[in-house]
Amino acid sequence: NAGVTQTPKFQVLKTGQSMTLQCAQDMNHNSMYWYRQDPGMGLRLIYYSASEGTTDKGEVPNGYNVSRLNKREFSLRLGSAAPSQTSVYFCASSGSSTGWLGGNQPQHFGDGTRLSIL
Amino acid sequence: KQEVTQIPAALSVPEGENLVLNCSFTDSAIYNLQWFRQDPGKGLTSLLLIQSSQREQTSGRLNASLDKSSGRSTLYIAASQPGDSATYLCAVWYKLVFGAGTILRVKS
Repeated sequence: NAGVTQTPKFQVLKTGQSMTLQCAQDMNHNSMYWYRQDPGMGLRLIYYSASEGTTDKGEVPNGYNVSRLNKREFSLRLGSAAPSQTSVYFCASSGSSTGWLGGNQPQHFGDGTRLSIL
Repeated sequence: KQEVTQIPAALSVPEGENLVLNCSFTDSAIYNLQWFRQDPGKGLTSLLLIQSSQREQTSGRLNASLDKSSGRSTLYIAASQPGDSATYLCAVWYKLVFGAGTILRVKS
């Protein structure tokens, strides 16, 4: 079982470049999430999608955009990368349909994308 | 604003010990609480999810308790093994907020 698949696993960008991180899940989940994980800061929610066709901002959305392409796929775009966006990015999904506000279904995570911006 | 704190930040124990990881949160109006495990270079794996109406959940050697009124949860690991070495994170729902985690090392 693939679960949640993220691509790429590693990426180095120069300041100002753009990039899209891809995420796909095969569990027929309603909700999908993008997080960033930074040392000493824990995981912080960037954007989430409670269902196909809907997206909402999380705690740290500035500098990012997302697209819920279909039920399986949820992409994260950095339009003009900045060094402050150097982080590990995780995509997650859950069977909950209430997105960030609450859920009675556990979240399932991908293995992350390690992004460095020079 | 909800804040989640995990104590201790790091823990090293000999194999076979029973141990307790602590998670505290400032706003008791939570929907549920979830414990995760994260191995180095990997994503998070869900261990236990406790609904706000529940007081505990068990899975194998793991037992998690929840006391909403005091804003606390504990993860109890029985008979620890070297394979339990990882970072353990708790997270509370309503607007999912994660703790920084406890790094656990079990020595053989």
